[in-house]
Amino acid sequence: GESVGLHLPTLSVQEGDNSIINCAYSNSASDYFIWYKQESGKGPQFIIDIRSNMDKRQGQRVTVLLNKTVKHLSLQIAATQPGDSAVYFCAENKGDYKLSFGAGTTVTVRA
Amino acid sequence: DAGVTQSPTHLIKTRGQQVTLRCSPKSGHDTVSWYQQALGQGPQFIFQYYEEEERQRGNFPDRFSGHQFPNYSSELNVNALLLGDSALYLCASSLRSYNSPLHFGNGTRLTVT
Repeated sequence: GESVGLHLPTLSVQEGDNSIINCAYSNSASDYFIWYKQESGKGPQFIIDIRSNMDKRQGQRVTVLLNKTVKHLSLQIAATQPGDSAVYFCAENKGDYKLSFGAGTTVTVRA
Repeated sequence: DAGVTQSPTHLIKTRGQQVTLRCSPKSGHDTVSWYQQALGQGPQFIFQYYEEEERQRGNFPDRFSGHQFPNYSSELNVNALLLGDSALYLCASSLRSYNSPLHFGNGTRLTVT
């Protein structure tokens, strides 16, 4: 079936380094993508979104890149901090108001 | 400005029982969606309510039902609970706009024994 997936289930990053979290999607009809961060015991927290008519969007310390040719989405976190440790989900909207989530990438920041 | 609030935070039920979970959306939002998140998995869409009607539904049996009230708050009801219904149930609110990001509550942890 069509779903959003993530390349790696875990990522370990040294504090201060940049993090890159990858996501592959298979539905070419998807035109809106969101990254969420979920900390233990909490609900997903909106980080950044991007529409399919864009290739790149930047926020505070985060950048999302969208490559529609290979159906790939990535989230870059600059100068990773201990507070960035969490599970990160990409989600896609296929035009029907409901989001499809991948399984998530657990990011651990090493001091 | 209060975000999405859910109650209760934790709940333990027995197989065959029924449960009701409650959600108040973020101020200004008119659309409520419910998601089920099993341990170690991403959230799975259950259904969405707008103008007090179910507008979209995911692949969940009709044991799962919901309601939206005039003040936009919502309830999720699950009948005839199964062990497999144990999960974190997340409520998300948004505007009824295609590219309006969902804002999630912290969920209700349901354990079925």
